[in-house]
Amino acid sequence: QLVLTQSPSASASLGASVKLTCTLSSGHSSYAIAWHQQQPEKGPRYLMKLNSDGSHSKGDGIPDRFSGSSSGAERYLTISSLQSEDEADYYCQTWGTGIGVFGGGTKLTVL
Amino acid sequence: EVQLVESGGGLVQPGGSLRLSCAASGFTFSSYSMNWVRQAPGKGLEWVSYISSSSSTIYYADSVKGRFTISRDNAKNSLYLQMNSLRDEDTAVYYCARDGQPIHWGQGTLVTVSS
Repeated sequence: QLVLTQSPSASASLGASVKLTCTLSSGHSSYAIAWHQQQPEKGPRYLMKLNSDGSHSKGDGIPDRFSGSSSGAERYLTISSLQSEDEADYYCQTWGTGIGVFGGGTKLTVL
Repeated sequence: EVQLVESGGGLVQPGGSLRLSCAASGFTFSSYSMNWVRQAPGKGLEWVSYISSSSSTIYYADSVKGRFTISRDNAKNSLYLQMNSLRDEDTAVYYCARDGQPIHWGQGTLVTVSS
């Protein structure tokens, strides 16, 4: 069964870096994912598509502070030079045959 | 500029029906597959349904299979979601989303199922 697992919460200080993790279920480690950001009271915003080899393609206007990387079944979103507006929920998403799947989301708090 | 504008949300009683629309502009609608995604109050994102560019391939989440129908009209640049036999747990903001690179999201429309 295709499942994406995310930690419910993360925190980091203003100006620091944070690395969020999305883990693909067993047998699906080659899958690409997408990362989305959802700021409070707003709709989701596409950040990037991230492939199993770590290559990624970002959405329009996404700052260089946002980057992606991969290792095995893990997909990472790294945000550097954290700003207050980065405080948001972050979701990973993937696609199987006949199904779309979202992770449960990680709530990022900027201290 | 790509724009996706959902409409049709509102308050409906359990067992009732509602039809959502998503008006697309700023891109060649007929070339892209589309999705509906929902978010219950205080919860995460849930994929609901997918339709290919030509409507030849359609998928549904198990939670809505047999009750919801996705469709599109490429001549009108529009995506639809017909929702029947609505339940309390269908209460959510419903987003349409365009596949491809990049993925684009609409602003959402709120559906409230309550007596």
